[in-house]
Amino acid sequence: KAGVTQTPRYLIKTRGQQVTLSCSPISGHRSVSWYQQTPGQGLQFLFEYFSETQRNKGNFPGRFSGRQFSNSRSEMNVSTLELGDSALYLCASSSNGQRRFSGANVLTFGAGSRLTVL
Amino acid sequence: DQQVKQNSPSLSVQEGRISILNCDYTNSMFDYFLWYKKYPAEGPTFLISISSIKDKNEDGRFTVFLNKSAKHLSLHIVPSQPGDSAVYFCAASGNQFYFGTGTSLTVIP
Repeated sequence: KAGVTQTPRYLIKTRGQQVTLSCSPISGHRSVSWYQQTPGQGLQFLFEYFSETQRNKGNFPGRFSGRQFSNSRSEMNVSTLELGDSALYLCASSSNGQRRFSGANVLTFGAGSRLTVL
Repeated sequence: DQQVKQNSPSLSVQEGRISILNCDYTNSMFDYFLWYKKYPAEGPTFLISISSIKDKNEDGRFTVFLNKSAKHLSLHIVPSQPGDSAVYFCAASGNQFYFGTGTSLTVIP
């Protein structure tokens, strides 16, 4: 069973630009979540999509957006990039069909997309 | 507001000894608690979980303990092996997962 695939793995952008990251979940998983990892901050929840609908959202500004397609693949977009957006962006998929996660529906993560903003 | 906290950024342990990683949380409504392990250049991988109605769960060398009254959980690794060297994140689940900031474990051969 293929894992969660994220592209690109590494990218460098300059302030003010925008970026789109892609995530292909495990086959059959309809829930896709996005996290930002920065040193000292751990994994910060961005949003979760289920069946093309945003089901949960973290406390990030509107510059961060996402979407999910009918095949469950997801993209996240960051517009007007700032230096502080430099981070590892992780995508995770789950078979969770409920709004609340249970221990049986753990997240399976991709390797991440490392974004550097200059 | 950090709802899940790992107050030890790093931990070093001799091979064969016990590693104890700690985690505190603030929200008593969390349903499950999980531990993830992360190697450099890889995404976190699920290690072990525990339901909020349990106080212990064991899987091989890994045991998670939950103290609900103290809002504290810990991960015990016995015996520790060099391959266990990684960053460990604790997490709590509700409508979303809340992760701690991670503890970097180094197991010294």
